[in-house]
Amino acid sequence: KQEVTQIPAALSVPEGENLVLNCSFTDSAIYNLQWFRQDPGKGLTSLLLIQSSQREQTSGRLNASLDKSSGRSTLYIAASQPGDSATYLCASPNQAGTALIFGKGTTLSVSS
Amino acid sequence: NAGVTQTPKFRVLKTGQSMTLLCAQDMNHEYMYWYRQDPGMGLRLIHYSVGEGTTAKGEVPDGYNVSRLKKQNFLLGLESAAPSQTSVYFCASSERDSYGYTFGSGTRLTVV
Repeated sequence: KQEVTQIPAALSVPEGENLVLNCSFTDSAIYNLQWFRQDPGKGLTSLLLIQSSQREQTSGRLNASLDKSSGRSTLYIAASQPGDSATYLCASPNQAGTALIFGKGTTLSVSS
Repeated sequence: NAGVTQTPKFRVLKTGQSMTLLCAQDMNHEYMYWYRQDPGMGLRLIHYSVGEGTTAKGEVPDGYNVSRLKKQNFLLGLESAAPSQTSVYFCASSERDSYGYTFGSGTRLTVV
């Protein structure tokens, strides 16, 4: 059974700092790893999807990496801004590949 | 461009009452999902559907039933609500398994 873990549960940083969010998964036979953002009281928005054949994906100030052998993914946010404050969730397909299993998320607070 | 629409957005039920949550998507997606989100527990999969007329159980299916009579709609039913079903419910859809999720904005359900 796939399990997804995110550390830390919460993170507070000053504006402008570069930061890394961590995600680990138990079943390394995944074919993708996804990162989402959730603002308070809202649904989830897809940020990045990394295919198993890729090692990283970039979108603007966001960079996500995937290391299947160690069962880890990281989300790197460069030059953080107050608007980046949200909960970030990673997700991996279940063993049947029919649905995503989510971590509990890291709540990020960026102060100005 | 509506995407995924959930109704209602808020609801308060008494223990033992029944209700149906409606999810509608206008993207012609094959896959649809129901998740619940609870503090400290993250997002957990309740039921999902891989196409019109199909349904399957997720991680926490007990106490819920679903139907997918039309491709664009996925209904989640609570036959006899319990306080443990107090949660925020999210519907999502995807074009194919585990890719390109689009989430609704959620339904906040309180069972008293």
